[in-house]
Amino acid sequence: EAAVTQSPRNKVAVTGGKVTLSCNQTNNHNNMYWYRQDTGHGLRLIHYSYGAGSTEKGDIPDGYKASRPSQENFSLILELATPSQTSVYFCASGGQGSGNTLYFGEGSRLIVV
Amino acid sequence: QQKVQQSPESLIVPEGGMASLNCTSSDRNVDYFWWYRQHSGKSPKMLMSIFSNGEKEEGRFTVHLNKASLHTSLHIRDSQPSDSALYLCAARGSALGRLHFGAGTQLIVIP
Repeated sequence: EAAVTQSPRNKVAVTGGKVTLSCNQTNNHNNMYWYRQDTGHGLRLIHYSYGAGSTEKGDIPDGYKASRPSQENFSLILELATPSQTSVYFCASGGQGSGNTLYFGEGSRLIVV
Repeated sequence: QQKVQQSPESLIVPEGGMASLNCTSSDRNVDYFWWYRQHSGKSPKMLMSIFSNGEKEEGRFTVHLNKASLHTSLHIRDSQPSDSALYLCAARGSALGRLHFGAGTQLIVIP
């Protein structure tokens, strides 16, 4: 099974501070995704990437930036964190084509105070 | 407006009973559906996928798909307490398209 690891697993940040969530995958998947999960909303897509050097906006990109410096790594950056960004963030990777099953990391719980 | 609607929001079934979960997409371009299961405090894991009309069975789990109505359903027979989890439906609009997730159905199986 694909291995996707996220760091940090838990983070408390202050309003206005910068937060970087990191994700590493070891299965050579082209596609990587950042989702946030809030009660009643399921998983909402923030940013995604088709490969090193590429980033695309998802459904809720405002307030977030993404960086894909290599095939293995995909970061989510909150330049000016706000309390509304308190959530659980999941990174996922997946291949292209009809078998685009996503493999998720264990999640990063972010609290912005 | 969510593109993927799931019902019911929550479901309680007795151990050994049948659980039936529903999912409908509003995107006419959808070509693939997935069901993911997420235990409390854990990450979602793919349970089953389907892209052809009809039925697919894996053990106690059966998935149905009606592409004309863009509706899929997941049925769990002989439900076990370990099946208690959040079940997420995901739909994809094209081969390179993004997955859209529904809000999920919280299943509770009572011993």
